Amino acid sequence: NAGVTQTPKFQVLKTGQSMTLQCAQDMNHEYMSWYRQDPGMGLRLIHYSVGAGITDQGEVPNGYNVSRSTTEDFPLRLLSAAPSQTSVYFCASSYSADLKSNNSPLHFGNGTRLTVT
Amino acid sequence: AQSVAQPEDQVNVAEGNPLTVKCTYSVSGNPYLFWYVQYPNRGLQFLLKYITGDNLVKGSYGFEAEFNKSQTSFHLKKPSALVSDSALYFCAVRSGYSTLTFGKGTMLLVSP
Repeated sequence: NAGVTQTPKFQVLKTGQSMTLQCAQDMNHEYMSWYRQDPGMGLRLIHYSVGAGITDQGEVPNGYNVSRSTTEDFPLRLLSAAPSQTSVYFCASSYSADLKSNNSPLHFGNGTRLTVT
Repeated sequence: AQSVAQPEDQVNVAEGNPLTVKCTYSVSGNPYLFWYVQYPNRGLQFLLKYITGDNLVKGSYGFEAEFNKSQTSFHLKKPSALVSDSALYFCAVRSGYSTLTFGKGTMLLVSP
C-alpha cells in the first residue's frame, strides 16, 4: 500500500495563479483532511471530509476549496494564490471519522511545499 | 474551545537520559489527547493517545505519556533517549467529532 500520496512535492506560484494540490489514499479511509504547517503555529486544519460527497470547513478555510467525489481522492484548490498561502500542506486520512476511535490515528502524506511570490 | 499548549519550543537531552516533552490542555468535557512525531521532510506519525482508563499510556518506539487530570497535562516521556528520537513532537486534542487541534510543536534534540 502506498498510504497517503501527495503531489506535487514542491510548487512555486505567482500571486493570483490557481492550482490544485492532489491527495490520494489507498487504504479505503472514510476521513480525509488538509492541514497547513507554518513555523511557530503548528498545524491548522483547512478542510475535512467524513466521506465521499461530504466536506466541511476547518479553522482556516478562506482561500481554499475542496471536493470529495471519490473515497480515494481529496484535492485542495487554491483559486487565486496569495503570499499568505506560502506554507507546507499536509493531507491526512483516517479509517474512522470519529477521531477518538481505535481505528482513527491520522495517516499523513509527506507534504507539499508551496511558495507564492 | 479545546486547545493544547506546548510551553517549550525546544528540549535538549543527552542520549541515554530520560526525556519529557510537556503538553497542557484546556477542554470542556472529556479530554481525548494525542501525540504525533514529525521527522524532517516527512508527514506526522501517530505515537499514542489517551481516551480513557489508565493514566499512563504506552505508545510506539518506547514512548509513553502520563495523563494528569488535576494538572490538565499530558506529558510525553521516554526513559532513555536515542539520537534517532530527535524530531518535532506535536500534542493534539480532539476538538470536535472529526477534528484535531494541534499544539505548536516542540523540537527534541538528543545529543550523542
